[in-house]
Amino acid sequence: GESVGLHLPTLSVQEGDNSIINCAYSNSASDYFIWYKQESGKGPQFIIDIRSNMDKRQGQRVTVLLNKTVKHLSLQIAATQPGDSAVYFCAEGDNYGQNFVFGPGTRLSVLP
Amino acid sequence: DVKVTQSSRYLVKRTGEKVFLECVQDMDHENMFWYRQDPGLGLRLIYFSYDVKMKEKGDIPEGYSVSREKKERFSLILESASTNQTSMYLCASSWELYSNQPQHFGDGTRLSIL
Repeated sequence: GESVGLHLPTLSVQEGDNSIINCAYSNSASDYFIWYKQESGKGPQFIIDIRSNMDKRQGQRVTVLLNKTVKHLSLQIAATQPGDSAVYFCAEGDNYGQNFVFGPGTRLSVLP
Repeated sequence: DVKVTQSSRYLVKRTGEKVFLECVQDMDHENMFWYRQDPGLGLRLIYFSYDVKMKEKGDIPEGYSVSREKKERFSLILESASTNQTSMYLCASSWELYSNQPQHFGDGTRLSIL
């Protein structure tokens, strides 16, 4: 929604550059991680997920990296486009599939 | 594609009213969820349901109840609305438990309590 990102950190990147959005998670027992994109006025949209038995997963223009040692997750967006402007947040989940903890989010702003 | 539909995008109600927020999913998902989203606080789970007529409390259930009479429909009820319940409400659904599947969200209902 319009007021979701009032207090969020912002990452500004030039159109065409690569973006890296970071997320620190809290529970070392979490074994499933998701990145969501939320555009203004819309609900969160699933981008990519990764399970704890992997350290990297690639999608179309996006890559998620998982470092379990330091409990860190990152989302890399290649050749960032204006349509990528949104709030991005990570979610960590347990093996039961319903108990997710969502990060606060990062606002990505793509400069022309 | 998964479609999660919330019945209202914007809703304005008065303090003390009983408020119903409706959510329907079209993918035969077992699990359904209600969250509220507030600036600086992220998404907080209110209630979830893993089957018809089943419900579990989330992190902030006080002042809310839910109903799941049919698999595809999950309703959030504010028994007596208060101004601190002004928020964006998001419904989500996912496949069965233990499946490590993402939750799919609706576009939200922005609720204002006057």
